[in-house]
Amino acid sequence: NAGVTQTPKFRVLKTGQSMTLLCAQDMNHEYMYWYRQDPGMGLRLIHYSVGEGTTAKGEVPDGYNVSRLKKQNFLLGLESAAPSQTSVYFCASSRADVDGNTIYFGEGSWLTVV
Amino acid sequence: AQTVTQSQPEMSVQEAETVTLSCTYDTSENNYYLFWYKQPPSRQMILVIRQEAYKQQNATENRFSVNFQKAAKSFSLKISDSQLGDTAMYFCAFMKSIISGGGADGLTFGKGTHLIIQP
Repeated sequence: NAGVTQTPKFRVLKTGQSMTLLCAQDMNHEYMYWYRQDPGMGLRLIHYSVGEGTTAKGEVPDGYNVSRLKKQNFLLGLESAAPSQTSVYFCASSRADVDGNTIYFGEGSWLTVV
Repeated sequence: AQTVTQSQPEMSVQEAETVTLSCTYDTSENNYYLFWYKQPPSRQMILVIRQEAYKQQNATENRFSVNFQKAAKSFSLKISDSQLGDTAMYFCAFMKSIISGGGADGLTFGKGTHLIIQP
């Protein structure tokens, strides 16, 4: 019963490096999301996807790119990491056919940019 | 755009006491959903309770209940008989209804309340 799985769980990057966070869900959900959580800020939406091949910007999209080539996967990319991107990243997914449906979260990925 | 405000950054109560966490929100929508999520030190996001705005009856889940005041745009969480395992960050969150064009753009969160249950 995997649910939403994020890899890697921990990563330290140097400023300017690039990396990709992978999110996989096995619940056949249409909607997928990437959030970031910073101290005192709650969770903020970076990007989201309503289905395979589609993505949209959330509240804080700058510095990130995403792709949804397969329904079950949602990738978050940092092309040139900055210290301001040090954060905990959460992937989430939900069904599209139920109004107000529960959003299921992964366990988080800790990213430190030095 | 919606905003969610949690005015209590931190609260501390004794075990077995009842505690109420506050949440207010601002929206022009009439159809929406409200949630409380719990985040223990493990950082896992756990759904505690869910409320449909069109329902007047307050949602309850065992020791957790809400006081939903739609006109006042208030959505507080009451935890009865608090336990040590309730120690966590609690986030209030808002989701627009599909009817209002929402759903796909996920949740809007408050900044959270750190709840500490003292033995």
